Amino acid sequence: AQRVTQPEKLLSVFKGAPVELKCNYSYSGSPELFWYVQYSRQRLQLLLRHISRESIKGFTADLNKGETSFHLKKPFAQEEDSAMYYCAPPKGDGNKLVFGAGTILRVKS
Amino acid sequence: EPEVTQTPSHQVTQMGQEVILRCVPISNHLYFYWYRQILGQKVEFLVSFYNNEISEKSEIFDDQFSVERPDGSNFTLKIRSTKLEDSAMYFCATQRGLGLNIQYFGAGTRLSVL
Repeated sequence: AQRVTQPEKLLSVFKGAPVELKCNYSYSGSPELFWYVQYSRQRLQLLLRHISRESIKGFTADLNKGETSFHLKKPFAQEEDSAMYYCAPPKGDGNKLVFGAGTILRVKS
Repeated sequence: EPEVTQTPSHQVTQMGQEVILRCVPISNHLYFYWYRQILGQKVEFLVSFYNNEISEKSEIFDDQFSVERPDGSNFTLKIRSTKLEDSAMYFCATQRGLGLNIQYFGAGTRLSVL
């Protein structure tokens, strides 16, 4: 069964510090992975998907099949990055999302 | 940018009552989903819906739950007889197609069962 693990419930960093939000997965087959973000009082929204290999708001994520990881990184955190971040692969024919537990990122000034 | 709209934003109900949560999908989207998030827990999949029928449902989605798209626009989640443990945020999400299409989420309905 597909499983996603986000080991940190809370990650607190200072503004300007590097950020790495961890996500590990267990999969059968080729994984497709997304990062979703939920800012305070806003809806869940897609941040990144691994297939696009793009950088959004300075965040990147590389799929590491050897380590079965899809960690989210940003070299310099900003206060507006404070949010809840979810790692999620779609699963099944219907593309339902299976969310990790989420990591709260707090960027302190 | 088009958005998924959910109503009401907050629903308070007595245990045993029926509730209907409504979602207006983005207009050209064909796949619809309900998720829920109990306070302090992860977002959980409830059900997916395509072509006027359920594609997949989770263990949570028991006989007390039903979904329909009665008028071709609103996508509804009905809970027939609410229980205290149904208290949660309920999120609707819609997707244009399968594959790597993005799911767009509504702002959610907070259901409080008293």
